[in-house]
Amino acid sequence: QAVLTQPPSVSGAPGQRVPISCTGSSSNIGAGHDVHWYQHLPGTGPKLLIFHNNNRPSGVPDRFSGSRSGTSASLAITGLQAEDEADYYCQSYDNSLGGWVFGGGTKLTVL
Amino acid sequence: EVQVLESGGDLVQPGGSLRLSCAASGFPFSSYAMTWVRQAPGKGLGWVSAIGGGGIDIYYADSVKGRFTISRDNSRNTLYLQMNSLRAEDTAVYYCAKMAGLDYHNYYMDVWGKGTMVTVSS
Repeated sequence: QAVLTQPPSVSGAPGQRVPISCTGSSSNIGAGHDVHWYQHLPGTGPKLLIFHNNNRPSGVPDRFSGSRSGTSASLAITGLQAEDEADYYCQSYDNSLGGWVFGGGTKLTVL
Repeated sequence: EVQVLESGGDLVQPGGSLRLSCAASGFPFSSYAMTWVRQAPGKGLGWVSAIGGGGIDIYYADSVKGRFTISRDNSRNTLYLQMNSLRAEDTAVYYCAKMAGLDYHNYYMDVWGKGTMVTVSS
Protein backbone atom coordinates (compact mmCIF):
# COMPACT_ATOMS: atom_id res chain seq x y z
CA GLN A 1 0.00 0.00 0.00
CA ALA A 2 1.43 3.34 -1.07
CA VAL A 3 2.33 5.91 1.59
CA LEU A 4 0.72 8.70 -0.44
CA THR A 5 -2.91 8.09 -1.41
CA GLN A 6 -4.22 8.91 -4.89
CA PRO A 7 -7.53 8.02 -6.55
CA PRO A 8 -6.97 4.96 -8.78
CA SER A 9 -8.65 6.63 -11.74
CA VAL A 10 -10.15 9.90 -12.98
CA SER A 11 -11.72 10.83 -16.28
CA GLY A 12 -12.85 13.86 -18.22
CA ALA A 13 -13.95 15.02 -21.63
CA PRO A 14 -11.66 17.01 -23.92
CA GLY A 15 -11.45 20.63 -22.81
CA GLN A 16 -12.52 19.90 -19.23
CA ARG A 17 -10.56 20.38 -16.00
CA VAL A 18 -9.63 17.39 -13.86
CA PRO A 19 -8.01 17.42 -10.42
CA ILE A 20 -5.89 14.58 -9.02
CA SER A 21 -5.43 14.50 -5.25
CA CYS A 22 -2.49 13.19 -3.23
CA THR A 23 -3.03 12.66 0.49
CA GLY A 24 -0.17 12.10 2.90
CA SER A 25 0.49 12.48 6.62
CA SER A 26 2.46 14.43 9.19
CA SER A 27 5.61 12.45 8.36
CA ASN A 28 5.72 13.49 4.71
CA ILE A 29 3.64 16.26 3.11
CA GLY A 30 2.47 17.51 6.49
CA ALA A 31 6.10 17.78 7.63
CA GLY A 32 6.58 20.45 4.99
CA HIS A 33 8.27 18.32 2.36
CA ASP A 34 7.63 19.35 -1.21
CA VAL A 35 5.41 17.36 -3.57
CA HIS A 36 6.38 16.56 -7.14
CA TRP A 37 4.30 15.09 -9.97
CA TYR A 38 5.13 12.75 -12.85
CA GLN A 39 3.35 11.65 -16.02
CA HIS A 40 3.96 8.06 -17.08
CA LEU A 41 3.05 6.58 -20.46
CA PRO A 42 3.34 2.79 -21.04
CA GLY A 43 6.72 1.71 -22.33
CA THR A 44 8.48 4.95 -21.45
CA GLY A 45 10.22 6.45 -18.45
CA PRO A 46 8.20 8.78 -16.21
CA LYS A 47 8.31 12.48 -17.08
CA LEU A 48 8.60 15.26 -14.50
CA LEU A 49 5.50 17.49 -14.65
CA ILE A 50 5.61 19.61 -11.49
CA PHE A 51 8.43 20.11 -8.96
CA HIS A 52 8.50 21.85 -5.60
CA ASN A 53 4.68 21.80 -5.38
CA ASN A 54 3.84 24.24 -8.16
CA ASN A 55 6.76 24.69 -10.57
CA ARG A 56 6.76 23.48 -14.17
CA PRO A 57 9.91 22.38 -16.00
CA SER A 58 10.46 24.06 -19.33
CA GLY A 59 8.35 22.43 -22.02
CA VAL A 60 5.47 21.44 -19.75
CA PRO A 61 2.31 23.30 -20.80
CA ASP A 62 0.72 25.71 -18.34
CA ARG A 63 -2.41 23.54 -18.49
CA PHE A 64 -0.69 21.57 -15.70
CA SER A 65 -0.55 23.13 -12.24
CA GLY A 66 0.12 21.95 -8.71
CA SER A 67 -0.70 23.00 -5.18
CA ARG A 68 0.00 21.83 -1.63
CA SER A 69 -1.87 22.45 1.60
CA GLY A 70 -1.54 20.75 4.97
CA THR A 71 -1.09 17.01 4.45
CA SER A 72 -2.35 17.01 0.85
CA ALA A 73 -1.45 18.14 -2.63
CA SER A 74 -3.27 18.36 -5.91
CA LEU A 75 -2.46 18.31 -9.62
CA ALA A 76 -4.89 20.09 -11.91
CA ILE A 77 -5.08 19.61 -15.66
CA THR A 78 -7.15 22.15 -17.61
CA GLY A 79 -8.14 22.06 -21.26
CA LEU A 80 -7.91 18.27 -21.25
CA GLN A 81 -6.43 16.74 -24.42
CA ALA A 82 -6.35 13.16 -25.71
CA GLU A 83 -2.55 13.12 -25.31
CA ASP A 84 -2.95 13.67 -21.56
CA GLU A 85 -4.21 10.12 -21.15
CA ALA A 86 -1.56 8.52 -18.90
CA ASP A 87 -0.75 7.49 -15.34
CA TYR A 88 0.09 10.30 -12.88
CA TYR A 89 2.14 9.94 -9.70
CA CYS A 90 2.84 12.26 -6.78
CA GLN A 91 6.13 11.97 -4.85
CA SER A 92 7.53 13.36 -1.61
CA TYR A 93 9.92 12.43 1.22
CA ASP A 94 8.88 10.55 4.35
CA ASN A 95 10.65 11.15 7.69
CA SER A 96 9.48 7.90 9.28
CA LEU A 97 10.67 5.76 6.38
CA GLY A 98 13.79 7.81 5.77
CA GLY A 99 13.32 7.82 2.03
CA TRP A 100 11.37 9.05 -0.94
CA VAL A 101 7.80 7.89 -1.47
CA PHE A 102 5.31 7.79 -4.33
CA GLY A 103 1.56 7.79 -4.51
CA GLY A 104 -0.16 4.69 -5.86
CA GLY A 105 -0.78 6.39 -9.18
CA THR A 106 -3.88 7.71 -10.94
CA LYS A 107 -4.95 6.59 -14.40
CA LEU A 108 -6.41 9.47 -16.39
CA THR A 109 -8.88 8.58 -19.12
CA VAL A 110 -9.89 11.18 -21.69
CA LEU A 111 -13.45 10.36 -22.74
CA GLU B 1 21.29 16.11 -24.51
CA VAL B 2 20.81 15.12 -20.89
CA GLN B 3 20.02 11.42 -20.68
CA VAL B 4 20.41 8.22 -18.70
CA LEU B 5 20.31 4.70 -20.10
CA GLU B 6 19.80 1.55 -18.05
CA SER B 7 21.10 -1.91 -18.90
CA GLY B 8 21.61 -5.30 -17.29
CA GLY B 9 18.05 -6.51 -16.82
CA ASP B 10 17.56 -10.24 -17.26
CA LEU B 11 15.72 -13.38 -16.14
CA VAL B 12 17.26 -14.73 -12.93
CA GLN B 13 16.32 -17.51 -10.53
CA PRO B 14 15.16 -16.81 -6.98
CA GLY B 15 18.18 -16.36 -4.73
CA GLY B 16 20.30 -15.24 -7.64
CA SER B 17 22.18 -12.01 -8.30
CA LEU B 18 22.17 -9.33 -10.99
CA ARG B 19 23.93 -6.00 -11.52
CA LEU B 20 22.18 -3.12 -13.26
CA SER B 21 24.06 -0.23 -14.84
CA CYS B 22 22.98 3.27 -15.77
CA ALA B 23 25.09 5.33 -18.17
CA ALA B 24 24.64 9.09 -17.82
CA SER B 25 25.51 11.84 -20.28
CA GLY B 26 24.93 15.54 -20.90
CA PHE B 27 25.36 16.76 -17.30
CA PRO B 28 28.11 16.90 -14.63
CA PHE B 29 27.43 13.42 -13.23
CA SER B 30 29.40 13.78 -10.00
CA SER B 31 27.40 16.87 -9.02
CA TYR B 32 24.08 15.10 -8.73
CA ALA B 33 22.48 12.44 -6.59
CA MET B 34 21.09 9.48 -8.52
CA THR B 35 18.35 7.02 -7.72
CA TRP B 36 16.74 3.73 -8.72
CA VAL B 37 12.95 3.42 -8.90
CA ARG B 38 11.06 0.27 -9.88
CA GLN B 39 7.63 -0.66 -11.16
CA ALA B 40 6.34 -4.20 -10.65
CA PRO B 41 3.89 -5.53 -13.26
CA GLY B 42 0.51 -3.86 -12.80
CA LYS B 43 1.74 -1.80 -9.86
CA GLY B 44 2.84 1.78 -9.24
CA LEU B 45 6.26 3.34 -8.90
CA GLY B 46 8.37 2.39 -5.87
CA TRP B 47 11.59 4.06 -4.72
CA VAL B 48 14.48 1.59 -4.28
CA SER B 49 17.74 3.37 -3.47
CA ALA B 50 19.62 6.66 -3.84
CA ILE B 51 23.23 7.83 -3.68
CA GLY B 52 24.75 11.29 -3.31
CA GLY B 53 27.01 12.80 -5.92
CA GLY B 54 30.17 11.89 -4.02
CA GLY B 55 29.00 8.34 -3.36
CA ILE B 56 29.05 8.78 0.42
CA ASP B 57 25.40 9.41 1.27
CA ILE B 58 23.44 6.23 0.53
CA TYR B 59 19.80 5.39 1.17
CA TYR B 60 17.71 2.22 0.74
CA ALA B 61 14.06 1.27 0.93
CA ASP B 62 13.42 -1.23 3.73
CA SER B 63 12.33 -3.85 1.18
CA VAL B 64 15.83 -4.07 -0.33
CA LYS B 65 18.09 -3.13 2.59
CA GLY B 66 20.77 -5.76 3.13
CA ARG B 67 20.22 -7.32 -0.31
CA PHE B 68 20.83 -4.46 -2.78
CA THR B 69 23.89 -2.23 -3.02
CA ILE B 70 23.96 1.07 -4.89
CA SER B 71 27.24 2.53 -6.11
CA ARG B 72 28.61 4.90 -8.72
CA ASP B 73 31.78 5.42 -10.75
CA ASN B 74 32.07 9.13 -11.40
CA SER B 75 35.03 8.59 -13.73
CA ARG B 76 32.76 6.52 -15.98
CA ASN B 77 29.54 8.54 -15.43
CA THR B 78 27.85 5.30 -14.44
CA LEU B 79 25.46 4.29 -11.67
CA TYR B 80 25.09 0.69 -10.50
CA LEU B 81 22.67 -1.46 -8.54
CA GLN B 82 23.97 -4.80 -7.29
CA MET B 83 21.00 -7.02 -6.47
CA ASN B 84 21.58 -10.18 -4.39
CA SER B 85 19.22 -12.76 -2.86
CA LEU B 86 16.61 -11.86 -5.45
CA ARG B 87 12.97 -12.71 -4.78
CA ALA B 88 9.94 -13.05 -7.03
CA GLU B 89 8.64 -9.76 -5.63
CA ASP B 90 11.70 -7.98 -7.02
CA THR B 91 10.36 -8.60 -10.54
CA ALA B 92 9.92 -5.13 -12.04
CA VAL B 93 11.08 -2.58 -14.56
CA TYR B 94 13.97 -0.72 -12.92
CA TYR B 95 14.40 2.97 -13.78
CA CYS B 96 17.48 5.08 -13.19
CA ALA B 97 16.85 8.77 -12.55
CA LYS B 98 18.86 11.93 -11.90
CA MET B 99 17.84 13.76 -8.74
CA ALA B 100 17.57 17.51 -8.30
CA GLY B 101 16.45 19.94 -5.62
CA LEU B 102 17.63 22.27 -2.91
CA ASP B 103 18.07 19.65 -0.19
CA TYR B 104 17.61 15.90 -0.05
CA HIS B 105 14.26 16.12 1.77
CA ASN B 106 12.87 17.90 -1.27
CA TYR B 107 14.66 16.02 -4.05
CA TYR B 108 12.75 15.16 -7.21
CA MET B 109 13.66 13.11 -10.29
CA ASP B 110 14.09 15.29 -13.36
CA VAL B 111 15.68 12.91 -15.87
CA TRP B 112 14.56 9.30 -16.27
CA GLY B 113 15.69 6.40 -18.40
CA LYS B 114 13.40 4.02 -20.26
CA GLY B 115 14.01 1.23 -17.77
CA THR B 116 15.36 -2.30 -17.80
CA MET B 117 13.30 -5.40 -16.98
CA VAL B 118 14.29 -7.75 -14.17
CA THR B 119 12.37 -11.02 -13.90
CA VAL B 120 12.93 -13.31 -10.93
CA SER B 121 11.50 -16.74 -11.67
CA SER B 122 12.45 -20.39 -11.71
